[in-house]
Amino acid sequence: DQQVKQNSPSLSVQEGRISILNCDYTNSMFDYFLWYKKYPAEGPTFLISISSIKDKNEDGRFTVFLNKSAKHLSLHIVPSQPGDSAVYFCAVGGFGNEKLTFGTGTRLTIIP
Amino acid sequence: KAGVTQTPRYLIKTRGQQVTLSCSPISGHRSVSWYQQTPGQGLQFLFEYFSETQRNKGNFPGRFSGRQFSNSRSEMNVSTLELGDSALYLCASSPHRNTEAFFGQGTRLTVV
Repeated sequence: DQQVKQNSPSLSVQEGRISILNCDYTNSMFDYFLWYKKYPAEGPTFLISISSIKDKNEDGRFTVFLNKSAKHLSLHIVPSQPGDSAVYFCAVGGFGNEKLTFGTGTRLTIIP
Repeated sequence: KAGVTQTPRYLIKTRGQQVTLSCSPISGHRSVSWYQQTPGQGLQFLFEYFSETQRNKGNFPGRFSGRQFSNSRSEMNVSTLELGDSALYLCASSPHRNTEAFFGQGTRLTVV
């Protein structure tokens, strides 16, 4: 029962262009959404989060969009840089269920 | 402020043995969660501890157990190791429950 899905296992984007990573979830009770970035041999690093009362949150080059009706979350990175090459995980949580549920990850490769 | 520290970083064990992994959270953080990462499976939630009590448990067999000490340090134990237990085990700490989690670098366990 995959409650959080990242349907694209990999994505390649030209440097300077926009990277869009997608995440779908099944349970409308989730109300806290996060993105993590992971380099090989390191633990995931928190990037950005959004709560269900908002539909957009921006932090520098990173913007997270939330579409509650579609149960869809996306991360936009613009402009993409070579250092952005990593695996990106979305994670969801709810105030009634404190554990975070992670997606399977999307490997982003930025092409110089 | 020191980050989340996991020891050891790498471990090789034989099938049937047992193993204990250690996690020291960020100072002041009281919530510690454990995750298993295997290729293609994303981060699978194992359990969460808060104030020395297990608050949440994932869908793993009873061979996987953990505990948290009064100083918030946590240990995870896997008994009767199987080849399929080979994975990266990640520990994450949070100041409170249901806030962004900060991950350690993980322990790479190889069962042979």
